[in-house]
Formats: sequence, structure tokens, C-alpha cells
Amino acid sequence: QQQVKQSPQSLIVQKGGISIINCAYENTAFDYFPWYQQFPGKGPALLIAIRPDVSEKKEGRFTISFNKSAKQFSLHIMDSQPGDSATYFCAARASRGTDKLIFGTGTRLQVFP
Amino acid sequence: NAGVTQTPKFQVLKTGQSMTLQCAQDMNHNSMYWYRQDPGMGLRLIYYSASEGTTDKGEVPNGYNVSRLNKREFSLRLESAAPSQTSVYFCASSAQRGARYEQFFGPGTRLTVL
Repeated sequence: QQQVKQSPQSLIVQKGGISIINCAYENTAFDYFPWYQQFPGKGPALLIAIRPDVSEKKEGRFTISFNKSAKQFSLHIMDSQPGDSATYFCAARASRGTDKLIFGTGTRLQVFP
Repeated sequence: NAGVTQTPKFQVLKTGQSMTLQCAQDMNHNSMYWYRQDPGMGLRLIYYSASEGTTDKGEVPNGYNVSRLNKREFSLRLESAAPSQTSVYFCASSAQRGARYEQFFGPGTRLTVL
């Protein structure tokens, strides 16, 4: 049961370009939308997160855009660098009380010099 | 702080063998999780534990059992391994600090079942 749909599965971007990864959800009870970054051979780590009462969250080169009416959110990586090459997962939490995340299927990003 | 630690890092089993994956966290978190990661399928929750002494099934619990030994440790057991259980297994713990909710992941165990 895939409740968070993520696309694309893989993405190739040139250094300095913009990387965009999209996610869509169905459950309007979701209350927290994090993005996790995973380097090869490592566990995922929290990158940035947003709550549904704001439309955008920016931390450095990473921005989440959130569209509540469309039930979509996206990660934008500005000025992409080779060090950003990793797998990115979007996720959603059902509600503050559940303490569980539902993850998307992941996007493998490769940034070439 | 070591964070979340997992042992072993790699394991090869034959079909029908059993094994236990160990996980420990030193962050005093109540909630702990076991996920499996397969290509194209993301992270899928196997079991989770909201507190010491409690465990609940996740999305893909069949073929697995868990034990929350104490607040620090949460183990995953495969009683009779099958090739379909070949995967990378991650343990995690979580914390809510104000508006920020975060799951902290271990380095993973890469399991191959022949």
C-alpha cells in the first residue's frame, strides 16, 4: 500500500543545476513531511522537513515546496554539487500521536561535474 | 554518543537458518523501529516499539519477530530465513523536540539468504 508516491526514480543533474524531486500523498491526516538523505553504505539522515501550515521551507541550498490543496510536496536542490549525489526519500507522518513515518520509494540523484 | 548501532554489518545465511539482528541506541529514545530497504521499494516498516515492553507490526512483519529487551535494545529475529528476506535492514529510534520530529538510523545490516 503506497501512500506516498515519489518521482523520479533516478535523476542526473549537472553541477550547478537545480535538482527537483516530487512526492504526492493521499491521506489528509498527514501532519509532517520530512526528506531524508542517504549516502551509499549509510543509513538515511534527516535533511529538511515541513509542516502543512506553511508553503515553503528553505535551509541553505535545500527548499521544500508544499501544495496542500494538490497534496504534493517537492524538494529543490539549488546549485547542485557532486557531494549531493545520494538517494533522497520523502516521507509523511500520519499524525503527531502515531510516531511512525511512511516513506516514498526513493530517488537516486547523481550530480556530474 | 554512538547514536544507533547495529550488528552485524554483513551476514550470509542459507535458506532455513535463523539469526538475530541486534540494535542499540544511547539517546534515551522511547520509540524504535526496524525497516527493510529493497531497490525501488523504499524503506518499509517491519516492526516498531513505542516503549519498552511494547511492540507492534508494521507493513511487512511476516517471517520476523522482535524483542524490546530494554529501553536501549531492540532485536529482530529471522526464525527460518528465506531468499525473499535478502535485503538491507535498518534500525532506527525517534525523538520529538518541539516542532522537529526525527528518526535516527543505524548504519544497516546487509543480509543475503542463499
